[in-house]
Parts: sequence; C-alpha cells; structure tokens
Amino acid sequence: ETGVTQSPTHLIKTRGQQVTLRCSSQSGHNTVSWYQQALGQGPQFIFQYYREEENGRGNFPPRFSGLQFPNYSSELNVNALELDDSALYLCASSSEGARNTEAFFGQGTRLTVV
Amino acid sequence: AQSVAQPEDQVNVAEGNPLTVKCTYSVSGNPYLFWYVQYPNRGLQFLLKYITGDNLVKGSYGFEAEFNKSQTSFHLKKPSALVSDSALYFCAVRSAGNMLTFGGGTRLMVKP
Repeated sequence: ETGVTQSPTHLIKTRGQQVTLRCSSQSGHNTVSWYQQALGQGPQFIFQYYREEENGRGNFPPRFSGLQFPNYSSELNVNALELDDSALYLCASSSEGARNTEAFFGQGTRLTVV
Repeated sequence: AQSVAQPEDQVNVAEGNPLTVKCTYSVSGNPYLFWYVQYPNRGLQFLLKYITGDNLVKGSYGFEAEFNKSQTSFHLKKPSALVSDSALYFCAVRSAGNMLTFGGGTRLMVKP
C-alpha cells in the first residue's frame, strides 16, 4: 500500500451538481497530480499542483479545478457535473524535480453521475 | 506530443508459462518509462521504471521490462506467470512536466 489516501471511495451525484474529492499525499512528496480513468480506458491527466499552484494541465475544461494546501494535500473540484464525468479519479503524489522517481497512486474515488 | 500504445487489449497465458505485455511509445527527448498494475477496484501500483542505464529493468513481483530505443518499445515480461498476476497493466511515459501519459491498458489473464 502507498501512503496516498483519497476520500471518499465512492460517490453518487446528480447531473449539474458540484463535487469535491480529496487526496493526502505520501510523506515527503510535494507534488500532487489528478487523473481521470473512464471505464475501460487508461488514466488521463487532469492537472498537477506544486507549491499550492497549478503546475500543468491536461485537456479538461475549466469546470475542473483544484487546490493544494500547505501540507501538500489536495482537492479536485468539478462543477456542473455531466454524465461523462462518471469515472475513477486517481490522485498521485511525487517529488517535483525528481523525474527519476515514480508517482504513487491512491486507491481512487469512483464517481457516478446520474 | 507524447503517446503510448498497448496494441493488445488482452493477453492470455497459462500458469507457469512466460508472459509478455507489449508497449510502444513516442516522445521527444529521453523517455522515462513506467509500468503500473491495477487490480479490480484499486488504484495503480508501481511495478518498474526505466530512466537510464541497463536496457533490462527488474521490478516487483518478478516482473522485468526490456527497453529498446530503436523500436521505441518497453515490453513487460515475466518468466513464469502466476494466476495472481491476472490484472490490468498500464505502460506510461513521463513528460518534462512530470505528467504521465498512459496507454489504454492490457488485461492479463493467467489460467491455471
């Protein structure tokens, strides 16, 4: 098991609602990345946070936003939920500047939008 | 833009036989390559990585991978498969920004 924890593990929301997902990074890691994994597909990069600022973003609309806190934990917020937002959301922690180290993933949050 | 291809959706192998899960990549500059495994309803678990050096990389649970620069491939291998190896396997490449680009995944089925 990694030291990355995500909450909640499962969530059901209605289309149009807003959702917040949370992630605690592994001790010693200062960077958090978020990925969306739709059913039957590989994870897709949403964005990354380093020193409480967004440090790279994938091809996701602005209604996907995030925060990183001084303790390096992070939140992913999604506004105006759509049915296609149903997916497993994965958080990964790593050390910025250490490209030769691997990212460690949490167990994910399964979001279902109905 | 970087990309990763896993040409096989599923690989079937008998327990005790060798297994190979294929991965090819496209990236500018030196590739940083990774393999992750995903069990049902779980996150991704790191298996192994190639950064530089020896083209044969050894990782967790007896897995290894061979980096081939000329063929831009990074195939995952194991000499003797176990039923417990059955899972979803993802190959990934890291960009300068620390972002991982994943392949579509390959489901490995090991039959007793």
